[in-house]
Amino acid sequence: EAGVTQSPTHLIKTRGQQATLRCSPISGHTSVYWYQQALGLGLQFLLWYDEGEERNRGNFPPRFSGRQFPNYSSELNVNALELEDSALYLCASTEDGSSYNEQFFGPGTRLTVL
Amino acid sequence: AQSVTQPDIHITVSEGASLELRCNYSYGATPYLFWYVQSPGQGLQLLLKYFSGDTLVQGIKGFEAEFKRSQSSFNLRKPSVHWSDAAEYFCAVGPMEYGNKLVFGAGTILRVKS
Repeated sequence: EAGVTQSPTHLIKTRGQQATLRCSPISGHTSVYWYQQALGLGLQFLLWYDEGEERNRGNFPPRFSGRQFPNYSSELNVNALELEDSALYLCASTEDGSSYNEQFFGPGTRLTVL
Repeated sequence: AQSVTQPDIHITVSEGASLELRCNYSYGATPYLFWYVQSPGQGLQLLLKYFSGDTLVQGIKGFEAEFKRSQSSFNLRKPSVHWSDAAEYFCAVGPMEYGNKLVFGAGTILRVKS
């Protein structure tokens, strides 16, 4: 069974540009979570999508947004990129939104903002 | 608000020696607790989790953790460390409500010397 996949592996952008990161959950999983792992700041929750809806949002500005498609894959968009957005962005999926489910993580997308 | 403290940023142990990684949490109710491991360039892999019941939890790769409510701790242990255990370890807490947003500790980097 394929795990969570993310693309691209690496992404280099300049300040002010927009970045789009993609995540495909494990087959059958309906919930997708996004986390940011920035140097010195640790892993922080960004967004949670379940059944196509945004269910929860972390303490991030509105220029961080995303969506979930009918096939449950997800996209994270970061607008007006700032240098401090440079980080590893991890996607995780669960069978559904229950708190009992293990979150399975993808390998991440390394975003570098120059 | 929930928080997780991992007081040791780096730990070095000799191969074959025992290991204990510390984790303390702050949460108003009984939390869900997790330990994840991240190898360089990889996503997070779940080692073990605690939801309820037996406070000594067994995980993969020979790891175990003990939930101590009185100390608000969930320390990770392994009796004999292998060189392949070198990685970064994250403790996380999840709320007992719909939507398993994880709050992570800052991580502990484990180095294994031969």
